[in-house]
Amino acid sequence: QSALTQPASVSGSPGQSITISCTGTSSDVGNYNLVSWYQQHPGKAPKLMIYEVSTRPSGVSNRFSGSKSGNKASLTISGLQAEDEADYYCCSYAGSSISMVFGGGTKVTVL
Amino acid sequence: EVQLVESGGGLVQPGGSLRLSCAASGFNFDDYAIHWVRQVPGRGLEWVSGISWNSGNRGYVDSVKGRFTISRDSAKKSLYLQMNSLRPEDTALYYCAKFSGNYASPERHFDSWGQGTLVTVSS
Repeated sequence: QSALTQPASVSGSPGQSITISCTGTSSDVGNYNLVSWYQQHPGKAPKLMIYEVSTRPSGVSNRFSGSKSGNKASLTISGLQAEDEADYYCCSYAGSSISMVFGGGTKVTVL
Repeated sequence: EVQLVESGGGLVQPGGSLRLSCAASGFNFDDYAIHWVRQVPGRGLEWVSGISWNSGNRGYVDSVKGRFTISRDSAKKSLYLQMNSLRPEDTALYYCAKFSGNYASPERHFDSWGQGTLVTVSS
């Protein structure tokens, strides 16, 4: 049950693309295509941005995309905008029907 | 509209107990697994516990096993977290979060969250 590993911070200029990595193990990220990503602005509850590795919920901008290779998942934000400045968390199903594990979170700064 | 409203947080001394509640509305409560996720102020999210739609499956993060118990009440459409032997490191904002897929679904992600209830463990 170790937390997934994310970089503490990533930054980019408006219009640029950034990628946030999320590294797990063969017991979570590597074993299931059930990685999700959440955006959290200060003082707010998390918001689902990507699920099942690369699926966007209705209403989420297509500037957000997800992928996975082996034990590593990634979230890419293209055409970075000021409103994208927030904390981002990856999350993976970890088995036993109910267990989940989060990453430590990545602070995205728009320069 | 799905609503999850947590309550029961507060200040408690180390070694004490607290029971959190999460009142659910806007969806068929009996069909969905629901979870507790906590966040130390200024820190990251941590999955704490989850319970399946029929209470047949319950899971806990290692750090709370044997101290916390998750349960649900269908008639009251509520989720609970009984927290015993509380430690300072349990201090956090506790969110209630719902799985997106119902009992028949393989989906494993959270589509709705409450606003959280703050638990502070301190002498």
